[in-house]
Amino acid sequence: QITLKESGPTLVKPTQTLTLTCTFSGFSLSKRGVGVGWIRQPPGKALEWLALIFWDDDQRYSPSLESRLAITKDTSKNQVVLTMTNMDPVDTATYYCAHRSESGNWYFDLWGRGTLVTVSA
Amino acid sequence: SYVLTQPPSVSVAPGQTATITCGGDSFRSKNVHWYQQKPGQAPVLVVYDNSDRPSGIPERFSGFHSENTATLTISRVEAGDEADYSCQVWGSSSDPVLFGGGTKLTVL
Repeated sequence: QITLKESGPTLVKPTQTLTLTCTFSGFSLSKRGVGVGWIRQPPGKALEWLALIFWDDDQRYSPSLESRLAITKDTSKNQVVLTMTNMDPVDTATYYCAHRSESGNWYFDLWGRGTLVTVSA
Repeated sequence: SYVLTQPPSVSVAPGQTATITCGGDSFRSKNVHWYQQKPGQAPVLVVYDNSDRPSGIPERFSGFHSENTATLTISRVEAGDEADYSCQVWGSSSDPVLFGGGTKLTVL
């Protein structure tokens, strides 16, 4: 059974760096084709994809946020970490991590429950 | 950049069929995926690769796509289907994951 869980601060100040951890079980990020992505959703708004890391350490980023994002993986700990610099109140959102199946196309078949991050002084 | 367009809301009576659309250019070349999101919950994949259903998703959920539009159809709608539905495609190598703006399905 695949599970994912996001963890990190619930409140960050403007200009600070946000670090979120996705801890997963039930799959290996060493398996060919597997990926883990981060997606966020501001309150009442649409889903927005942020970043994705693959089994071979290939990293992809949203072009609009690429300069502020970094995604890394620790296969031995079954964790994926997302950092976002220079946080702003508009970055207030629920942040989700999700599993990208090795079966092929770019969709997320299982998601964590999400963590709400508020950016405020 | 590639844009996916969804109607903000769709309403349907219980037992009827709900149709939610997702529009974009050159859709025929893209695989479309659909997510259901109930209030306070994480998204759930309900259709992938245009028309396939993950295990556990009822046959009432079906997908179809044509040249410029993808459609999620929910047959025999139930109160429990009330949720936001978002489409998603692979955009390009430089912007691979794109979501539509979401459609709120209301069951009357």
